[in-house]
Amino acid sequence: GDSVTQMEGPVTLSEEAFLTINCTYTATGYPSLFWYVQYPGEGLQLLLKATKADDKGSNKGFEATYRKETTSFHLEKGSVQVSDSAVYFCALRGNSGGYQKVTFGIGTKLQVIP
Amino acid sequence: GAVVSQHPSRVICKSGTSVKIECRSLDFQATTMFWYRQFPKQSLMLMATSNEGSKATYEQGVEKDKFLINHASLTLSTLTVTSAHPEDSSFYICSARPVGGATNYGYTFGSGTRLTVV
Repeated sequence: GDSVTQMEGPVTLSEEAFLTINCTYTATGYPSLFWYVQYPGEGLQLLLKATKADDKGSNKGFEATYRKETTSFHLEKGSVQVSDSAVYFCALRGNSGGYQKVTFGIGTKLQVIP
Repeated sequence: GAVVSQHPSRVICKSGTSVKIECRSLDFQATTMFWYRQFPKQSLMLMATSNEGSKATYEQGVEKDKFLINHASLTLSTLTVTSAHPEDSSFYICSARPVGGATNYGYTFGSGTRLTVV
């Protein structure tokens, strides 16, 4: 079945540091890939997405590129802020019909310190 | 944009009672809604998938008699935790897929419900 492997946190960075959160996946066919963010006490928000190989999703300074050859979708940001402190989930959704459920990674907690 | 409202955001109930959680799509119709459970420091686990007007499909290991799901309209799905026990304490979150929603878009999530059973 589908699976998402995500680096476990927590990740602690100083403000303005470079961020990388690794994510790799296993799926049949050509899934859509997502990064969701969960701020403390809140639900999930879609951060960015990519639907086919070599697509780059970007939002709020975050980027991730759909790499089919390495089955990866690593999240990057050049300069993190304290307000980026949250839990980040990598996810995929298959495109093979049916209910197309979303499979999540374990989530990576990011803490940015001033 | 698409908004999903989940209510209540927090609930504390006594062991043995039942709790109902509502998930509403506010500005779109949702063919399919998904219910997830999130344990502390763990990822979201899909519990069940509900389609309007039909029985929910439960994931393996999820007790359908304990977690009752009703998707009575295209804008409302409910999850009822029956005879709740402390081990049911968790964060429950729903997501919705729009009618005719493109397959390459993420689903919209509610803000979640923190259930504490005492």
